[in-house]
Amino acid sequence: EAGVTQFPSHSVIEKGQTVTLRCDPISGHDNLYWYRRVMGKEIKFLLHFVKESKQDESGMPNNRFLAERTGGTYSTLKVQPAELEDSGVYFCASSQAGGRIQETQYFGPGTRLLVL
Amino acid sequence: SQKIEQNSEALNIQEGKTATLTCNYTNYSPAYLQWYRQDPGRGPVFLLLIRENEKEKRKERLKVTFDTTLKQSLFHITASQPADSATYLCALVRDDKIIFGKGTRLHILP
Repeated sequence: EAGVTQFPSHSVIEKGQTVTLRCDPISGHDNLYWYRRVMGKEIKFLLHFVKESKQDESGMPNNRFLAERTGGTYSTLKVQPAELEDSGVYFCASSQAGGRIQETQYFGPGTRLLVL
Repeated sequence: SQKIEQNSEALNIQEGKTATLTCNYTNYSPAYLQWYRQDPGRGPVFLLLIRENEKEKRKERLKVTFDTTLKQSLFHITASQPADSATYLCALVRDDKIIFGKGTRLHILP
């Protein structure tokens, strides 16, 4: 069974540009999470989808970040316009039905974003 | 706000010995505490979960303890092997919120 996949693995963009990150969860997993790790800091929660609905988006930094999960399958996280402080590693994770954040989450390899 | 402290310095342990990693938190006790392993360039991998009413949990060579009085969890790897070298993260969960520590790098020396 394929794990969580993320695309691209790396992205280097200039300040002010737009970047879209994609996450494909494990097939059949209703729950999809986005996290971010800024260099030198801990992994921080961004938001949680249950199927196509946003269950919790309290961790989204600001309105330059837009997450979608059309059809309840893959998800995209768009940053527009990107700022220097958006640099970091963006992780996606998925878990089976149940919706509780403590249930086993399977993480993708992350997308490394560098904003210059 | 809740803060998590994990040893920021790397921990070097001789192969075959028991490695013990510490996770301390400062505020409210979490309902659940999780431990993850992360290898370079990869996402975290879930290892163990322990509930606030549990004192200890074991899985193969892994053991986790949870002391809500000390506000501390200890993560033990017995009979450590070079393949156990990685960064280990603890995460606290309460009220559907999850907070990660920065992690501790563990090196098992052959």
